[in-house]
Amino acid sequence: EIVMTQSPGTLSVSPGERGTLSCRASQSVGSNLAWYQQKPGQAPRLLIYGASTRATGVPVRFNGTGSGTEFTLTISSLQSEDIALYYCQQSNDWPTFGGGTKVEI
Amino acid sequence: QVQLQESGPGLVKPSQTLSLTCAVSGGSLSSGGYPWSWIRQSPGKGLEWIGYIYYSGSAYYNPSLRSRVSMSVDTSRNQFSLRLSSITAADAAVYYCARFHSGFNRYFDYWGQGTLVTVSS
Repeated sequence: EIVMTQSPGTLSVSPGERGTLSCRASQSVGSNLAWYQQKPGQAPRLLIYGASTRATGVPVRFNGTGSGTEFTLTISSLQSEDIALYYCQQSNDWPTFGGGTKVEI
Repeated sequence: QVQLQESGPGLVKPSQTLSLTCAVSGGSLSSGGYPWSWIRQSPGKGLEWIGYIYYSGSAYYNPSLRSRVSMSVDTSRNQFSLRLSSITAADAAVYYCARFHSGFNRYFDYWGQGTLVTVSS
């Protein structure tokens, strides 16, 4: 099983500031890494796939980078609607998810 | 736009079998050849992939659940199902169905709203 570790557990950012979320894989997953956003009472929503490709309709302030074992999701200018939980997920092996980062303002 | 909707009992007794169904609309189970997944989310274990099944009926399961899981497809109704046996309190979770976009890049692109399953006698 590939273990995904996300940090920090909680990210506190002021509106308009930059937020950086990290995700580490226990072994290389190449670029098979996706990021999801989950708001209370909702299902996760795909943000990024292939480590860096934004899904349809995702604002350009969301940017994914990385490969191998180290990945980053950057929110360039945090908006109030970005308050949510964020998960990374790998599919190089059978799918596994990180524990999540809570983004708060 | 593909839409998924889970259905099934919200309360299951310990040791019984959980059965859930996911109805797919806005597209066919067979379109694109993508497999259809079950994922669950609990406070204790976060998001956990349970398994996925192709239109053909071929299924792949999480090794940690393989002995208790089975999935099936009903092509006539455009839906797929999950059965999880020998339920315990650890299986209490929100269960989601989702489409797994399998290809060079692999990710879950369409999700149902989720259904809460409580385990209690």
